[in-house]
Amino acid sequence: EIVMTQSPATLSVSPGERATLSCRASQSVSSNLAWYQQKPGQAPRLLIYGASTRATGIPARFSGSGSGTEFTLTISSLQSEDFAVYYCQQYNNWYTFGQGTKLEIK
Amino acid sequence: QLQLQESGPGLVKPSESLSLTCTVSGGSISSNRYYWGWVRQPPGKGLEWIGHIYFDGSTYYKSSLKSRVTVSGDTSKNQCSLNLSSVTAADTAVYYCVRVVVGTTGNWFDPWGQGTLVTVSS
Repeated sequence: EIVMTQSPATLSVSPGERATLSCRASQSVSSNLAWYQQKPGQAPRLLIYGASTRATGIPARFSGSGSGTEFTLTISSLQSEDFAVYYCQQYNNWYTFGQGTKLEIK
Repeated sequence: QLQLQESGPGLVKPSESLSLTCTVSGGSISSNRYYWGWVRQPPGKGLEWIGHIYFDGSTYYKSSLKSRVTVSGDTSKNQCSLNLSSVTAADTAVYYCVRVVVGTTGNWFDPWGQGTLVTVSS
């Protein structure tokens, strides 16, 4: 099973600033990586697939990069609604998720 | 707008079976562009893929759950169902119904149902 490791576990950032979240795979997943956002009491929402393609309706301030084993989700200018938990998921070899990064207001 | 709605018992006794149904509206489970499946999330924890089904009846399951899981589809009702047998407290989780998008190099989950909490307890 491919293990996905996200860092940091918690990230404190001020509104308007940039946030950078990392995700590492235990073996190469090519570009078969997605990012999801989950707010308290809600279901996850797809943000990014193919490592860098924004899903329909996702604002341009969200961007994804990376391939192989190292991936990054960047939120360029944090809005109040962006504070949530973010999960990466590989779908190169079945499906596994990272443990999540909680993005909180500084 | 596609909507996925999970339904089923919120409480299941240990050693019994958990059965959930996902009713799909705004789209057809008979489409060859998607799979239909399930993901769960124990309280306060991360996400775990369980399995999914294709329009032709093909099923795919997480290996560690395979002996206990059945995902089925009912095209006449446009529903996808999950059955998990011999449950224990470790199966307590929010269960999400998901549409699995068939991509060119792999598949991702979009959208997700609102989820339903299933507690395993006597």
